[in-house]
Amino acid sequence: QQQVKQSPQSLIVQKGGISIINCAYENTAFDYFPWYQQFPGKGPALLIAIRPDVSEKKEGRFTISFNKSAKQFSLHIMDSQPGDSATYFCAATLGDDKIIFGKGTRLHILP
Amino acid sequence: KAGVTQTPRYLIKTRGQQVTLSCSPISGHRSVSWYQQTPGQGLQFLFEYFSETQRNKGNFPGRFSGRQFSNSRSEMNVSTLELGDSALYLCASKLWTGLYNEQFFGPGTRLTVL
Repeated sequence: QQQVKQSPQSLIVQKGGISIINCAYENTAFDYFPWYQQFPGKGPALLIAIRPDVSEKKEGRFTISFNKSAKQFSLHIMDSQPGDSATYFCAATLGDDKIIFGKGTRLHILP
Repeated sequence: KAGVTQTPRYLIKTRGQQVTLSCSPISGHRSVSWYQQTPGQGLQFLFEYFSETQRNKGNFPGRFSGRQFSNSRSEMNVSTLELGDSALYLCASKLWTGLYNEQFFGPGTRLTVL
């Protein structure tokens, strides 16, 4: 019940295309859903996050779509660029206590 | 504000040895978590310390231990190293905003066990 399932494991997208990464959770008590971006040799960095009372959040080319009834949320990267090539992790938090990460998606944008 | 710092950045050890990794959180952050990252397993939670006390613990053997000091700096120790311990060890400091947690990761320590 504490898991966050992330798919796909890896993704290849043409430059200019839309990259979509999906996550699903079981525990309805999760109260915050961040996405992290990790470049090789670096630690993950917070990219964008959403609370469950919001259905969509957009920051530049990055959008989180949140479906509370389906217990799913997804990251959309519009106009994907080679510089977006990285590993992306979704996560879910429970108050001040736990943060549960998905297993990550390795995204490669073809130039 | 300086970010989360980890030392050393790279470490090579042999099987059976022990290792200590260090993490300094962002100033003012009292919570420090440790993760093991391997290509097949993603981010695996090791433990979290808050105000010098272990608050949460993942499913790792007792060879993995940690501690936190009064200045919030944290150390992680792995004893009797095994080949499978080769990984990127990430430290993260966490700030509770009152509504949600913001977690900030360090660059990691790359441990190679030969």
